[in-house]
Amino acid sequence: AQSVAQPEDQVNVAEGNPLTVKCTYSVSGNPYLFWYVQYPNRGLQFLLKYITGDNLVKGSYGFEAEFNKSQTSFHLKKPSALVSDSALYFCAVRDPFMFSGGYNKLIFGAGTRLAVHP
Amino acid sequence: KAGVTQTPRYLIKTRGQQVTLSCSPISGHRSVSWYQQTPGQGLQFLFEYFSETQRNKGNFPGRFSGRQFSNSRSEMNVSTLELGDSALYLCASSPRTSGSTDTQYFGPGTRLTVL
Repeated sequence: AQSVAQPEDQVNVAEGNPLTVKCTYSVSGNPYLFWYVQYPNRGLQFLLKYITGDNLVKGSYGFEAEFNKSQTSFHLKKPSALVSDSALYFCAVRDPFMFSGGYNKLIFGAGTRLAVHP
Repeated sequence: KAGVTQTPRYLIKTRGQQVTLSCSPISGHRSVSWYQQTPGQGLQFLFEYFSETQRNKGNFPGRFSGRQFSNSRSEMNVSTLELGDSALYLCASSPRTSGSTDTQYFGPGTRLTVL
């Protein structure tokens, strides 16, 4: 079964320091991977996705993510954290075989709360 | 382009009642998916509609249903509400063009509270 794990419930970072939010996945075949961010009382905002190609994906608001097939990971990174980055971050996967079969279902991790301190 | 809109934003119901939530996708998007978000279960896929047809369904009881109209707008219905149905219900739209690797864009959600 397809699954996504975000091993950290919360990540604390000082403003200006680099941040990493971890994600590992388990799917058959090559996955489609996504990162979303959720601010309080808001829906999910798309940050970036990996479909194929370069393992380093750049997204919105200065975020990037590195796809590592051997470690089945897709960690979210940012070189210099801002207080405004404090939010709930979700990693998600879509099985490409499910997609080609007519599905459009995202499987989400439990979420990681990022707290950036001034 | 306007984003995904969901109405109402907040809803309070009592056990046993039914509720209908509405979602208008981004203009030109033909797929609408629904997700339930709760503190205990996280984000869970409910169903996807494309071309007025349900294409996929998550592991939810039959009390949860939906439909899609010819203009791609979608509604979901929950009948015989239970306390555990209290959640944030999120709608997402995507172009769903053949062979594409779509991104789903989410609306702000409807916060349902069942008393």
